[in-house]
Amino acid sequence: DIQMTQSPSSLSASVGDRVTITCRASQSISSYLNWYQQKPGKAPKLLMYAASSLESGVPSRFSGSGSGTDFTLTISSLQPEDFATYYCQQSYTTPRTFGQGTKVEIK
Amino acid sequence: QVQLQESGPGLVKPSETLSLTCTVSGGSISSYYWSWIRQPPGKGLEWIGHIHYSGSTNYNPSLKSRVTISLDTSKNHFSLKLTSVTAADTAVYFCARHQLPIQFGIDYWGQGTLVTVSS
Repeated sequence: DIQMTQSPSSLSASVGDRVTITCRASQSISSYLNWYQQKPGKAPKLLMYAASSLESGVPSRFSGSGSGTDFTLTISSLQPEDFATYYCQQSYTTPRTFGQGTKVEIK
Repeated sequence: QVQLQESGPGLVKPSETLSLTCTVSGGSISSYYWSWIRQPPGKGLEWIGHIHYSGSTNYNPSLKSRVTISLDTSKNHFSLKLTSVTAADTAVYFCARHQLPIQFGIDYWGQGTLVTVSS
């Protein structure tokens, strides 16, 4: 299985901050990397697919980059509704695997 | 707007079979891949497996010996069966739809249903 490792596991930030979350794959996954946002008690929501493509309806303050084994999700100016847990997921091969999550909390 | 809704027992006894159904509304089950994903309380996401509308399946090897995913196009729903459950199978179970191509992530999710394994 491809292991996905996110860092940090949690972070505290203020509204307006620029936030970057990193995801590393245990082997190359090309650009087959997706990002999800999950709020408590809710299903995950797709933010980015194919590493850098913004899902329809997702605010442009979210961006993604990377290829191969190293990827980042950036929130350019954190908004109150962005406090949540973020997961990366590889879709290069099965079994599909997720990172352990990064919890973004209010500072 | 596509909507997915999980249904099934919220409590299953150890060693028994967990059975869930996902009903798809607002769109056809045809042409897409459909997944089951679970999340133990307070933990991360685990992909269980997916099924194509043609009926072809792909399972997580960690669960493969116990999992069956099937679909019924006439009822526009797909199902999960997990046999010989233990407390470790306690989780919120989500059904979900993959975008096309399948590599482009999961764009629709059910709300999730908590299944507790306990006697």
